[in-house]
Amino acid sequence: GQQLNQSPQSMFIQEGEDVSMNCTSSSIFNTWLWYKQEPGEGPVLLIALYKAGELTSNGRLTAQFGITRKDSFLNISASIPSDVGIYFCASNSNSGYALNFGKGTSLLVTP
Amino acid sequence: DSGVTQTPKHLITATGQRVTLRCSPRSGDLSVYWYQQSLDQGLQFLIQYYNGEERAKGNILERFSAQQFPDLHSELNLSSLELGDSALYFCASSGNPGLAGGGHNEQFFGPGTRLTVL
Repeated sequence: GQQLNQSPQSMFIQEGEDVSMNCTSSSIFNTWLWYKQEPGEGPVLLIALYKAGELTSNGRLTAQFGITRKDSFLNISASIPSDVGIYFCASNSNSGYALNFGKGTSLLVTP
Repeated sequence: DSGVTQTPKHLITATGQRVTLRCSPRSGDLSVYWYQQSLDQGLQFLIQYYNGEERAKGNILERFSAQQFPDLHSELNLSSLELGDSALYFCASSGNPGLAGGGHNEQFFGPGTRLTVL
């Protein structure tokens, strides 16, 4: 499948700080999805993006579908301890609906 | 709660054995996907079923097989297990246009089955 490169690999921040992470690929995609996974649980869908340039918010989370269709960004504002987890970007392979996932960004938030 | 259920939560077995993992999709979802999550490979797509028929295959070993039943639940069968098969196995569902996020692109994951092969 097409490779999705996520960065940073991990982040260790203080409560109240804003967070930014991104996902890039050499391939063009029609969809970008962002998931969060907490220990012992399955990934939870946070935001779905369908159009180049689209900017979508979900509470303190904001994600953007890059204009080149090869990247996406996720921002978390005013982080809180419950934001801890691994954030994955994902996109459908261009030949079907199976999801390709990035390796994830691990977020730790200290009170 | 995503509405996707998986059993069992944990499974411990020995090399060479066979196990069956079960998944019930969100009510009305027609597509079921199976993924494997390991530390070195990350989340990898295994196989998709849509309304009882195989729709797409990913990095699924020949020792693994799946099926989707008329009530839309799915089973993933893993046989001749090896140590390297130890991983988290997730089921996801999608494909109910009547629900929010009902398109095929948005997949909703179950809590997973943690398989340990000793």
